[in-house]
Amino acid sequence: AQSVSQHNHHVILSEAASLELGCNYSYGGTVNLFWYVQYPGQHLQLLLKYFSGDPLVKGIKGFEAEFIKSKFSFNLRKPSVQWSDTAEYFCAVGAHSGYSTLTFGKGTMLLVSP
Amino acid sequence: DADVTQTPRNRITKTGKRIMLECSQTKGHDRMYWYRQDPGLGLRLIYYSFDVKDINKGEISDGYSVSRQAQAKFSLSLESAIPNQTALYFCATSDTTSSQETQYFGPGTRLLVL
Repeated sequence: AQSVSQHNHHVILSEAASLELGCNYSYGGTVNLFWYVQYPGQHLQLLLKYFSGDPLVKGIKGFEAEFIKSKFSFNLRKPSVQWSDTAEYFCAVGAHSGYSTLTFGKGTMLLVSP
Repeated sequence: DADVTQTPRNRITKTGKRIMLECSQTKGHDRMYWYRQDPGLGLRLIYYSFDVKDINKGEISDGYSVSRQAQAKFSLSLESAIPNQTALYFCATSDTTSSQETQYFGPGTRLLVL
């Protein structure tokens, strides 16, 4: 079974600050990795995903994530956050096989102050 | 994503009542999922269905049941609601014909059990 750990439950940043949200997973095989975002009062939206290839993945709204296989990590980054990035961010992992479900982390709430 | 709809969007019910949450999708996806979201716990999988004739229990299926009436419809039932089932419920879909299978979420149903 897989598991996901997100290091920070809450993060508070000022606008223009750089962001890095940690995500580590536990699974013995090949994985697919995802970051989802949930803006206040809304449903989950896909930010970015990694299946294979280049471990540096670029997503929407200037976000990127790097898969480091040796560290079982998939950290989310953004060079300069905006107030509109205030949201909850979820890391998720699924096995690379075709009969897999996703396991989500507990989420990181990001508050960006103007 | 507007292609995945959930009804009702909000519901208040009393302990012991039976309640059904419905999910419909126009994406043509074969796989459907039900999750619940609780503050600080992230998303946890309740049930999932890989096709119309396939139903599987997830991490927290006790107290819930599901019905996959058609490829496009997946309903979640609480046979006898209890207060600790108060949560935000999300339906999701995914498409196995895609080389990068990704889950897409509905808008959620906020359930309060008194």
